Amino acid sequence: AQTVTQSQPEMSVQEAETVTLSCTYDTSENNYYLFWYKQPPSRQMILVIRQEAYKQQNATENRFSVNFQKAAKSFSLKISDSQLGDTAMYFCAFMKGVAGANSKLTFGKGITLSVRP
Amino acid sequence: GAVVSQHPSRVICKSGTSVKIECRSLDFQATTMFWYRQFPKQSLMLMATSNEGSKATYEQGVEKDKFLINHASLTLSTLTVTSAHPEDSSFYICSASQASGRIGETQYFGPGTRLLVL
Repeated sequence: AQTVTQSQPEMSVQEAETVTLSCTYDTSENNYYLFWYKQPPSRQMILVIRQEAYKQQNATENRFSVNFQKAAKSFSLKISDSQLGDTAMYFCAFMKGVAGANSKLTFGKGITLSVRP
Repeated sequence: GAVVSQHPSRVICKSGTSVKIECRSLDFQATTMFWYRQFPKQSLMLMATSNEGSKATYEQGVEKDKFLINHASLTLSTLTVTSAHPEDSSFYICSASQASGRIGETQYFGPGTRLLVL
């Protein structure tokens, strides 16, 4: 079975600063996908970024980037130029490299990020 | 694109009644939909995987007779909480992935339904 660990329950960052959210996972799979989802106070889950395990290049989406270390099973999210709208709960998630009904997500416990004005 | 809706967004019901929650993929077809439950400040707990045209697959510990799932079309899955009790009060979220059959298809989430059982 897969596990996803987010050991930091809360973090705070000053607006315009950079913050890194940690995530580690454990799996015996070789082909898999990793995701970061954001859940703001509205509770709508929003995809932030995804990473294919077979790709060595770290994924980037505007101010969001990941540091994917496959050997270390680490998948951290870096948020640059933090904005007030980044205040949310962030979940790291794992998906096995299969299609259809078996492609369920395993979530970490989440981290609450607060951006200070 | 990839919008998922849920209805209702909030429901209050009396203990013992049944409540139906709908999950729709608005601009894509979804062979597979997932139902989650989330308590405040906690992570999402997968309840079941909903497969179009077949029976749902429930996670261990989830009562399939209490949480009835129907996935009648490629754009609609429903979750019915039968004989609801106060301990069923929670936030229920659905997600859907496109019916492409591709590996690693991203899941898109609905806005959630807050259920309160009195």
